Amino acid sequence: EAGVVQSPRYKIIEKKQPVAFWCNPISGHNTLYWYLQNLGQGPELLIRYENEEAVDDSQLPKDRFSAERLKGVDSTLKIQPAELGDSAVYLCASSLGVGTSGVTDTQYFGPGTRLTVL
Amino acid sequence: EDKVVQSPLSLVVHEGDTVTLNCSYEVTNFRSLLWYKQEKKAPTFLFMLTSSGIEKKSGRLSSILDKKELFSILNITATQTGDSAVYLCAVGQAGTYKYIFGTGTRLKVLA
Repeated sequence: EAGVVQSPRYKIIEKKQPVAFWCNPISGHNTLYWYLQNLGQGPELLIRYENEEAVDDSQLPKDRFSAERLKGVDSTLKIQPAELGDSAVYLCASSLGVGTSGVTDTQYFGPGTRLTVL
Repeated sequence: EDKVVQSPLSLVVHEGDTVTLNCSYEVTNFRSLLWYKQEKKAPTFLFMLTSSGIEKKSGRLSSILDKKELFSILNITATQTGDSAVYLCAVGQAGTYKYIFGTGTRLKVLA
């Protein structure tokens, strides 16, 4: 079974530039998460989707961050404009989510995108 | 404020030692507690503990959940250099699929 796919794996941009990250979750996983992880810290939730609906985006800095999951499968996270403090690893994760018999809320993570803002 | 606290922050041991990693939490509407191992890339799932499954074991790794005292431990016996990683604890909230992560424990196992 293919895991969570993310691209690109690494991205270096200058501040004020836009950047986008892509995530394709495990097939059949309804719930998709975007996390930000700073060095030496645990992942912090940015946004969670149930199918195509963003059900928790309270931690997403909406002035510069946006996300979409139009068909309830893959998702894109965008930053515009990027700031120096956005340098981090952006992790995508998926889980089976709500409404599945034998619900398991184990999340499976993708390899992450390491963003460096210069 | 909901929080998950892991200790110690870092740990250095020698191969063959046994280590115990701690995770305490104050989270409303506790649903589950997950342990992950993170090497240089994405966290990989180890265990999930819930009210109906408060003890898990897989090989040299084992974990227990104390819902009364609000903590969990991850135990690794006969450590190997391949166990070197950051171990993350995450708590899921009932009614949502939100997870709150601790900062992790960085374990280094020396040969």
